[in-house]
Formats: sequence, structure tokens, C-alpha cells
Amino acid sequence: EAAVTQSPRNKVTVTGGNVTLSCRQTNSHNYMYWYRQDTGHGLRLIHYSYGAGNLQIGDVPDGYKATRTTQEDFFLLLELASPSQTSLYFCASNRDNYAEQFFGPGTRLTVL
Amino acid sequence: KTQVEQSPQSLVVRQGENCVLQCNYSVTPDNHLRWFKQDTGKGLVSLTVLVHENDKTSNGRYSATLDKDAKHSTLHITATLLDDTATYICVVGDRGSALGRLHFGAGTQLIVIP
Repeated sequence: EAAVTQSPRNKVTVTGGNVTLSCRQTNSHNYMYWYRQDTGHGLRLIHYSYGAGNLQIGDVPDGYKATRTTQEDFFLLLELASPSQTSLYFCASNRDNYAEQFFGPGTRLTVL
Repeated sequence: KTQVEQSPQSLVVRQGENCVLQCNYSVTPDNHLRWFKQDTGKGLVSLTVLVHENDKTSNGRYSATLDKDAKHSTLHITATLLDDTATYICVVGDRGSALGRLHFGAGTQLIVIP
């Protein structure tokens, strides 16, 4: 079973705060993704990557940066957090971007 | 505009009953459709994937159909258990290639009561 882990699982910060969400996969997958999930919406793609050093913009990238430092690790950065970024964030990975995606357990972020 | 619509938004059934969840989409092209189960506070877990016109799949008590002409899929859950309480999410992949994107529905929240 493919494994994707995220940390922290919960985070509370204040408006203007600096937050880094971490994701690690040990499946040797090429693709990794960051999504946000909000009530009444499907998951929305923020950023994704197809390998170390690569970064692709998703559908809702404003206010977010991301870095893929290794094949295993993908980080989501909020440098000036805003209340509109309060959400449940999921990381996912797959071998190829049309193959089944395996999801992490999620990080709940609250921006006060 | 939402390209994947799921209905109902929420559903309550008694343990042992059957239920049907619907997914209508406008994604074009539509390479494949996948159903996920999301337990509260957890990540998404794949239940089944449908690829071809008029595909039908079965995974234990879960079965699914796909009608690509109608751009419609159903997920049937037979003899529901309390552990089936979760959100079920329909996802349509638009291409089977590196250019592909996934389009997520907002989910159907299923609650199974004793």
C-alpha cells in the first residue's frame, strides 16, 4: 500500500503568519500534488510537481508557493497567511499523473 | 462552473439498507472516472475506477457503473454497515496522459444509522 504522510496534522496561525506544510511519500512516485478541500467544493489543485526541482501551477495557486526538494518531499508554503486560506490541505502522489493518486491524511489549517 | 455534480449532497440510511449515489459530469474528454471514500478527517481512498463506455465494476459491497454517452456514473452500496459512514467523492480524469487533470465532485455525505 502506497504511503503518503503529512505534517503537521493541525496548525493554527494568525493573519500574516508564515506556514510550511510538509508531505513525504515513500512510493518512488514521480508526481506529487497539493490540494485544498473546502465545504461545498471538490478538492482544488494548488500546485503539483513531476520530480525534484520541478513545480507546476495548479488551479488555485494565489497565495501559495511550493517546493519539491527531493523525490520524496513536497512542501507548501504560505508566507502571508490569510483567513481565506483556512482549509483542509491534502497531499497526494502517483507514478504518472493519470494513475491512481494516493492521498495523505490531511492537514487542517486555521488562520485567525 | 462545476464540472462534476454529485447527488444527493447527503443521505441517511439504516444499517443493512442499500443506497445509490449519483455523479453527473461535463468534463471533456472523459478518460476515466474514479470513486473515492473519505472517512471524516482522513484522506481519500480509491474504491473503484471506470474507464470504458458502459463499464461496470464490483468491489465487495460496492459496485459502480459508467455511461459515457450520458456522462453519468452511479455507485451502489449494498447492505450498508456503520463503517460505510463517510463522504464519497466522484473524480473524472480528462486524459490518460501527462497533460491530464482530475476534476473533483464535492461529494455525497453518507450517514449509516443503526
